[in-house]
Amino acid sequence: SYELTQPPSVSVSPGQTATITCSGEALSRQYAYWYQQKPGQAPVLVIYKDAERPSGIPERFSGSSSGTIVTLTIRGVQAEDEADYYCQSADSSGTVVFGGGTKLTVL
Amino acid sequence: QVQLVESGGGVVQPGRSLRLSCAASGFTFSSYGMHWVRQAPGKGLEWVAVIWYDGSNKYYADSVKGRFTISRDISKNTLFLQMNSLRVEDTAVYYCAREGLAAAGLADWGQGTLVTVSS
Repeated sequence: SYELTQPPSVSVSPGQTATITCSGEALSRQYAYWYQQKPGQAPVLVIYKDAERPSGIPERFSGSSSGTIVTLTIRGVQAEDEADYYCQSADSSGTVVFGGGTKLTVL
Repeated sequence: QVQLVESGGGVVQPGRSLRLSCAASGFTFSSYGMHWVRQAPGKGLEWVAVIWYDGSNKYYADSVKGRFTISRDISKNTLFLQMNSLRVEDTAVYYCAREGLAAAGLADWGQGTLVTVSS
């Protein structure tokens, strides 16, 4: 199996842009996914296939990919966006891996 | 709408077994791959296992391989996780999740069931 690396924490002021990265060797070959998890709640998928946004997810959430690094960008951050964010991918054998998670703090 | 409801969690001693269930509704259960994902208290998400839509393939995290078994009963629209030889480090909230079609990620999640392994 392989690892996905995320920064432990990111802080941003309301209305600013938050950027969360995720790095891993397999990301150059496999799709990345992003999940938002608020305290006491189940995770919610916010980005799939690197940059696609599920229905119901605000347009301020976007994803991008470049080589072995994928990025979740939240533009115009709101207080309600404060949460833990996890990247996820899979390897060719069918197993799934999550990054360690990034705590987004809205100052 | 899609609904996933886990059950079967509880307190169990190390070395014992437990079976988790995930009752699915609101979609054609036999058409989707299903996963178990866990989260230890205060920790991040850890993927546990996946079963393909037709049950033909199953994959496990190294940490549970040989001890846990994922299965599904199409007639009952239910996903299972049989957990044997439980360890203290298996203590976590266990979520079942539905994989979206065409590599759309883990699109739907249950609310989780807590498993505590303690003597």
